[in-house]
Amino acid sequence: DVVMTQSPLSLPVTLGQPASISCRSSQSLVYSDGNTYLNWFQQRPGQSPRRLIYKVSNRDSGVPDRFSGSGSGTDFTLKISRVEAEDVGVYYCMQGSQWPPTFGRGTKVEIK
Amino acid sequence: EVQLVESGGGLIQPGESLRLACAVSGFSVTTNYMTWVRQAPGKGLEWVSVIYKNGYSQYVDSVKGRFTISRDNSKNTVNLEMNNLRAEDTAVYFCARDIVGPNYYYTSLGMDVWGQGTAVTVSS
Repeated sequence: DVVMTQSPLSLPVTLGQPASISCRSSQSLVYSDGNTYLNWFQQRPGQSPRRLIYKVSNRDSGVPDRFSGSGSGTDFTLKISRVEAEDVGVYYCMQGSQWPPTFGRGTKVEIK
Repeated sequence: EVQLVESGGGLIQPGESLRLACAVSGFSVTTNYMTWVRQAPGKGLEWVSVIYKNGYSQYVDSVKGRFTISRDNSKNTVNLEMNNLRAEDTAVYFCARDIVGPNYYYTSLGMDVWGQGTAVTVSS
């Protein structure tokens, strides 16, 4: 199975400051169709997960533009340009290129 | 309104069976891929199973042979039959709509709609 390694696992951030989460896969996530099926989810405390980003950099409808995804191959990043209080929660990367789909362990974003 | 509502969770002893249901409104389960994802207490997310539009199903190795995903087209629901439950199956189980890539083999753009989850506790 593809192992997804996120870092850091805990990320204290000052309100209004940027935040960056890394996600590395144990195998390339480039599929034979040329697409890279790397997705990001947010799980706020006590809530169900919510998809933020799909195929590396495509933001879901309703997701603020302070969230952005980038990367290629095995190395990916989720960035929050200016952290707001509502961004507190756990962020997961998930690969859907190789069977079975796998998630990272999650990165907990909290306010300093 | 698009909504997923899971039910059927509870406390159950090792070796016993449980059936989870996911009631879907706002779209049809027959024209979408539907997935179950679970989350053990204080842990991360684990993909469990998917049912394709054509009814084909796949499972993560740890549940293969014990879990069965199915759907009831008339009720627009997706079910997860769980047999021979183990302590390590203890988790909140989420039903979700899976957005799948245009390929012969399964590729996933992730789950864009999620239920609130139903908790399963396997303990003696």
